[in-house]
Amino acid sequence: QSALTQPASVSGSPGQSITISCTGTSGDVGGYNYVSWYQQDPGKAPKLMIYDVNNRPSGVSNRFSGSKSGNTASLTISGLQAEDEADYYCSSFTSSNTVLFGGGTKLTVL
Amino acid sequence: EVQLLESGGGLVEPGGSLRLSCAASGVTFNNYAMSWVRQTPGKGLEWVSAISGSGGRIYYADSVKGRFTVSRDNSKSALFLQMSSLRAEDTAIYYCAKAKRTDCTNGVCYTSNLYPFDYWGQGTLVTVSS
Repeated sequence: QSALTQPASVSGSPGQSITISCTGTSGDVGGYNYVSWYQQDPGKAPKLMIYDVNNRPSGVSNRFSGSKSGNTASLTISGLQAEDEADYYCSSFTSSNTVLFGGGTKLTVL
Repeated sequence: EVQLLESGGGLVEPGGSLRLSCAASGVTFNNYAMSWVRQTPGKGLEWVSAISGSGGRIYYADSVKGRFTVSRDNSKSALFLQMSSLRAEDTAIYYCAKAKRTDCTNGVCYTSNLYPFDYWGQGTLVTVSS
């Protein structure tokens, strides 16, 4: 199975909102409400930011939100802050009982 | 607090074998599925394998099927990954990761509960090179 498709990079200024897309197929993103998003700082393990398309784990800022339409999921970060600069990965459960990740998106806060 | 600590990484020649371990603490280990996820240095994440809380359900990525074997010892809160016939493309940081939801609810077990991953270890580096 191919990785989910994410833009390689996005950028925004402090206070702005950005959206990262994640495109899959009907066998993964489109077929299940099991899309997650992870934030990864350099040299650190990934951190779960969104699960089941639009749920935030305890302790994650409400500036992070998720959505899905068809085969494409999205992560939106509002009120961008310098600390949000990191790599972001989407992930989905699949019809093959496996897990797929996206290629990752580097977020730069200008 | 949940903590996951991987060990066993190192340098191995192509065709060789290596066994990774992941020690868990702060969690009722047998209630949760566990996964291995790897990351090639400077590249993205790739899910490798998952095992249910009881160990009765096991899943692999196509890229490692037939070469890697996942197992767990619930009495020791430990997860393992036996890797054989290693290739250069297996070079990566290997993370163990815990599923967020309990494996089974009211006696019904859901494969989708293998995922997502709410706790990750710090990773162990595997380098396959001659």
